[in-house]
Amino acid sequence: DAKTTQPPSMDCAEGRAANLPCNHSTISGNEYVYWYRQIHSQGPQYIIHGLKNNETNEMASLIITEDRKSSTLILPHATLRDTAVYYCIVRGHGRKLSFGAGTTVTVRA
Amino acid sequence: NAGVTQTPKFQVLKTGQSMTLQCAQDMNHEYMSWYRQDPGMGLRLIHYSVGAGITDQGEVPNGYNVSRSTTEDFPLRLLSAAPSQTSVYFCASELEQGFGELFFGEGSRLTVL
Repeated sequence: DAKTTQPPSMDCAEGRAANLPCNHSTISGNEYVYWYRQIHSQGPQYIIHGLKNNETNEMASLIITEDRKSSTLILPHATLRDTAVYYCIVRGHGRKLSFGAGTTVTVRA
Repeated sequence: NAGVTQTPKFQVLKTGQSMTLQCAQDMNHEYMSWYRQDPGMGLRLIHYSVGAGITDQGEVPNGYNVSRSTTEDFPLRLLSAAPSQTSVYFCASELEQGFGELFFGEGSRLTVL
């Protein structure tokens, strides 16, 4: 599975959009981009995933570049409860889910 | 639905003791897996199962055994606990491996003295 690169940490103001970048330059054509988050040592929580089209659900939006070498997770209106570690993971069908170090996002009032 | 249930939530062992971490899911998921998470680090895959009767090793399998006799249950056994196994353990399940969303339990915090 392709490796991902994320910034180790970032801050965001409450009520503003949080844009979390992820690089995955070695992604293969059949690999999906997944995002999970982990709030204070709880079990990780699925956020969203996509192949090449942009995706949106009730939690977030996922923007994948046309060449698929990078993506951005957007939390449209960050709240204090969005403070968490966010993991960007590239995964093919039938493959295991492997976690990196993620980005620690701190939402400030 | 209860989702993925892990027991116990907390456990303290002495070096050399054995124990089993229980994991059960009620979503009829074929794929189940165990991860460990050490302080300040990401999750590492220990063992996984793609269905009843089938198990395989992940990144860090040494010191752990698993079995999958039913679709619902996937216990993780520590045969002889070591301080290096002090960690938080997460069980997860998915309808089929690599086909969507992985559901995680709340974790079991293990301390080996």
